[in-house]
Amino acid sequence: GQQLNQSPQSMFIQEGEDVSMNCTSSSIFNTWLWYKQDPGEGPVLLIALYKAGELTSNGRLTAQFGITRKDSFLNISASIPSDVGIYFCAGGGATNKLIFGTGTLLAVQP
Amino acid sequence: NAGVTQTPKFRILKIGQSMTLQCTQDMNHNYMYWYRQDPGMGLKLIYYSVGAGITDKGEVPNGYNVSRSTTEDFPLRLELAAPSQTSVYFCASSSWGVTEAFFGQGTRLTVV
Repeated sequence: GQQLNQSPQSMFIQEGEDVSMNCTSSSIFNTWLWYKQDPGEGPVLLIALYKAGELTSNGRLTAQFGITRKDSFLNISASIPSDVGIYFCAGGGATNKLIFGTGTLLAVQP
Repeated sequence: NAGVTQTPKFRILKIGQSMTLQCTQDMNHNYMYWYRQDPGMGLKLIYYSVGAGITDKGEVPNGYNVSRSTTEDFPLRLELAAPSQTSVYFCASSSWGVTEAFFGQGTRLTVV
């Protein structure tokens, strides 16, 4: 089945630093989504990408849909303590299934 | 606007018991999904539905059943609970295709 490899597994950074994480797949996706999950909560959508090469920003967050359609990355600029959480990528293809990556745990030290 | 609502929020089951996790959405979304999230892990797709009357298996369907009699509701049934089904269960919906899925708050299930 389709699998998404997300890296890094965890990041421990200082407030103000930039963050970069990515997802790769062995399969082509038509949609890439990035979510953030706070403890005890459901995932919340951050950015949605629908076209290969697309670069989209949401405040301090920027995500890109890889031109091969097999990867995507998320950047967070000037991190702040409330950025702490688990970030998930998710890919959607022709099968109508939305498959999630394994997540990146982000810890921000003030 | 309630979005996606899951009940119950917490449940403890004994091995062999059955239960239904409820999920309802008020956004008139066609697509609905059930995921499970084990501690420290990502979300695994259990079942999904592309519209009323249509369901299909995800990555980890064994031990579960679903039905989709209305657009709003997508219940998940556990027939014979096992310890391996201890997890947090999330329901999600999207308007069309695998686009911007919105999640409920989750149901934390423990099987003892």
